[in-house]
Amino acid sequence: DAGVTQSPTHLIKTRGQQVTLRCSPKSGHDTVSWYQQALGQGPQFIFQYYEEEERQRGNFPDRFSGHQFPNYSSELNVNALLLGDSALYLCASSWDYQETQYFGPGTRLLVL
Amino acid sequence: GQQLNQSPQSMFIQEGEDVSMNCTSSSIFNTWLWYKQDPGEGPVLLIALYKAGELTSNGRLTAQFGITRKDSFLNISASIPSDVGIYFCAGRYSGGYQKVTFGTGTKLQVIP
Repeated sequence: DAGVTQSPTHLIKTRGQQVTLRCSPKSGHDTVSWYQQALGQGPQFIFQYYEEEERQRGNFPDRFSGHQFPNYSSELNVNALLLGDSALYLCASSWDYQETQYFGPGTRLLVL
Repeated sequence: GQQLNQSPQSMFIQEGEDVSMNCTSSSIFNTWLWYKQDPGEGPVLLIALYKAGELTSNGRLTAQFGITRKDSFLNISASIPSDVGIYFCAGRYSGGYQKVTFGTGTKLQVIP
């Protein structure tokens, strides 16, 4: 049973570019949440997707957008990248309201 | 974005010693969670707490939901080298689905 997978593992972009990160949830999970983890800090909630809709959103600008597909996989898009967007981006999946979110290994994004 | 305050920030302990760490918030939470994150991996849920005053154990780990609902504590007994990692607390509001607010983390190093 595969856990949460994310791709790519690492990514380097320049300021102003756009990036798309991908997440496949754990088998049987229908809810995907995205978090940004800056170096030395705890993860910060970006948004959550359920039934292909954004259900809840954290304090992130509209440059951060997402999508959930019918197979429950998800994408995180970030437009007009800033240096401060450099971070580890974590995807977590769960079965709806269950507490146990399973995190993927993350995508490390570096913006130069 | 908001982050919960964890203390200590880091600690070095001898193998076999007990460890205590805590987490405080300016807001009330209905659920407290404790995660461990190893290098290059996503956080893994250790313990979930659902009621003020609740004390829950998971092997050598024991966590408590503070009576004020604004704090939580984690104890690790008889530490071993594989306890090394970063421990995060996280709080969840009622009705907040899976949106959790993470702490700043406590980095634990165990000296064999």
